[in-house]
Amino acid sequence: DIQMTQSPSSLSASVGGRVTITCRASEPINNYLNWYQQKPGKAPELLIYAASSLQIGVPSRFSGSGSGTDFSLTISSLRPEDFATYYCQQTYSADPYTFGQGTTLDMK
Amino acid sequence: QVQLVQSGAEVKKPGASVKVSCKASGYTFFAYYLVWVRQAPGHGLEWLGKINPSGGSTIYGQKFQGRISMTRDTSTSTVYMELSSLRSDDTAVYYCARGDTLMGIDYFDVWGQGTLVSVSS
Repeated sequence: DIQMTQSPSSLSASVGGRVTITCRASEPINNYLNWYQQKPGKAPELLIYAASSLQIGVPSRFSGSGSGTDFSLTISSLRPEDFATYYCQQTYSADPYTFGQGTTLDMK
Repeated sequence: QVQLVQSGAEVKKPGASVKVSCKASGYTFFAYYLVWVRQAPGHGLEWLGKINPSGGSTIYGQKFQGRISMTRDTSTSTVYMELSSLRSDDTAVYYCARGDTLMGIDYFDVWGQGTLVSVSS
């Protein structure tokens, strides 16, 4: 299985601030990398697919980059609704598709 | 609007089976595959497998081979996930999600609301 490791596991930030979450794959996955946001008690929502493509309806303050084994999700100008848990996911190897362990972003 | 609506919470005893449904609406049912993902309490996301509504072909995660089955009912645009020989560590929220593919890259763009399956004696 391809292991996905996110860092940090948690972080605190302020409204209006900027944060970057990183995701490392245990082997190269090209750009087969997606990012999801999950709020407590809710289903995940797709933010970014193919490492850097913004899902329709997702604000432009979210951006993704990377290829190979190292990826990042950046949220600029944080808004109150952005405080949530974020997961990366690889879909390079189909059995199984694996997720990172999650990064919880909370308000400072 | 595009949505996936799942069946309600289930409580099962160890060794039993559970069948969760996921009804699709607002899009062409045959145009997208569906996946199942679960989340144990306080834990991350785990992919279980996928089903292609057009033809019914399935791919199951190796971890679940032999005790998982995914089927679909094209007359009602509904997919089902059945997990057997339940154990306490199968306690989780089970999500269905719509899968799409761009230049060979799969992603899950619409999710159901989740179904809590609790396994306890």
